[in-house]
Amino acid sequence: GQSLEQPSEVTAVEGAIVQINCTYQTSGFYGLSWYQQHDGGAPTFLSYNALDGLEETGRFSSFLSRSDSYGYLLLQELQMKDSASYFCAVNSGNTPLVFGKGTRLSVIA
Amino acid sequence: NAGVTQTPKFRILKIGQSMTLQCTQDMNHNYMYWYRQDPGMGLKLIYYSVGAGITDKGEVPNGYNVSRSTTEDFPLRLELAAPSQTSVYFCASSYSWGDNEQFFGPGTRLTVL
Repeated sequence: GQSLEQPSEVTAVEGAIVQINCTYQTSGFYGLSWYQQHDGGAPTFLSYNALDGLEETGRFSSFLSRSDSYGYLLLQELQMKDSASYFCAVNSGNTPLVFGKGTRLSVIA
Repeated sequence: NAGVTQTPKFRILKIGQSMTLQCTQDMNHNYMYWYRQDPGMGLKLIYYSVGAGITDKGEVPNGYNVSRSTTEDFPLRLELAAPSQTSVYFCASSYSWGDNEQFFGPGTRLTVL
């Protein structure tokens, strides 16, 4: 089977940096994705890591360690609009994506 | 491109009623998915399709049916609605398995009373 663990809630201050962790257990692994979902909205794709290391896209970065079955999403220069839920998802190659339960990020002034 | 569109946006059903949630994508994606999302929870896969005429069950298929007669359309049928089916339903599509960007529709908020 497959399972993903991520914190249910995180709170951070506007302008700060926050890291959202994701650990996974899967029988096969091709990569780890991150999605953002604002309240009342649909999930939108943020990033995908297939190889170990850090991928940077503007204020957002995503990291993967395949040997540790671990990844994280790093959000810098937090803005109020970053308040949302963030989901990690595993691509095991032979099944559809499996999503974690999500981390609700609250950005406070 | 409109992307992934879903109708209706909202619906209230009575227990035992049936309905079809519509999903259409105009990106010529082979892969399409139906998820449900309960409050404060993640996405649970109901059914998916890898191309016209091919569908398969996901994690929570009971109480639902799908069909895929064209590349563009992937309707989800609820038979004999139950309160446990109260949820937000998202349709999504992607170019392939390996392409990890799934494009989601705006969702259908369904309440069964």
